[in-house]
Amino acid sequence: DSGVTQTPKHLITATGQRVTLRCSPRSGDLSVYWYQQSLDQGLQFLIQYYNGEERAKGNILERFSAQQFPDLHSELNLSSLELGDSALYFCASSLQPNTGELFFGEGSRLTVL
Amino acid sequence: DQQVKQNSPSLSVQEGRISILNCDYTNSMFDYFLWYKKYPAEGPTFLISISSIKDKNEDGRFTVFLNKSAKHLSLHIVPSQPGDSAVYFCAASANNDMRFGAGTRLTVKP
Repeated sequence: DSGVTQTPKHLITATGQRVTLRCSPRSGDLSVYWYQQSLDQGLQFLIQYYNGEERAKGNILERFSAQQFPDLHSELNLSSLELGDSALYFCASSLQPNTGELFFGEGSRLTVL
Repeated sequence: DQQVKQNSPSLSVQEGRISILNCDYTNSMFDYFLWYKKYPAEGPTFLISISSIKDKNEDGRFTVFLNKSAKHLSLHIVPSQPGDSAVYFCAASANNDMRFGAGTRLTVKP
């Protein structure tokens, strides 16, 4: 158990819909990262937050947005969903940004039909 | 942009032998490199790391080698065990983000 909690574990929705994925980092970790893993693909970095502020942005689509709240949990919002958005979405946390080791949640599997 | 590449999608080795997983990167600003291991239905877990100021780091059966001039790193597992069967991700970090390779699926046969 990494200490990072992601909900929901599984989500099935239709094209055009909007979903929110939630992440609670490890206790004390200030930095949260979001990654997308499509079928047989590597982990694509989406976005990183540190103590409520956006720190780095990767290959995140404009239809996607995220935020980190004062209690340090984070949400990833995916809108106007397309079939290609079906993937595993991982959240990870670390105490400081760029410390190297990330602790990953078990992921949220999104299926868009 | 694929800044971190793992060109072998899969590797199969016999139990007790050495497993060598390779990773190449393009961004010379990367200063920290890591390997993560992922079992099905679980998130990746940290395995071993190396700073860019070193060329080798060893932890039990796992050793990571870094060749900065070639922008190449490798993970050696000796001896390989069936429980090592998993997907291994190479990662590199610089500034505020960490980039991952596509992963190599290691199968260790008894």
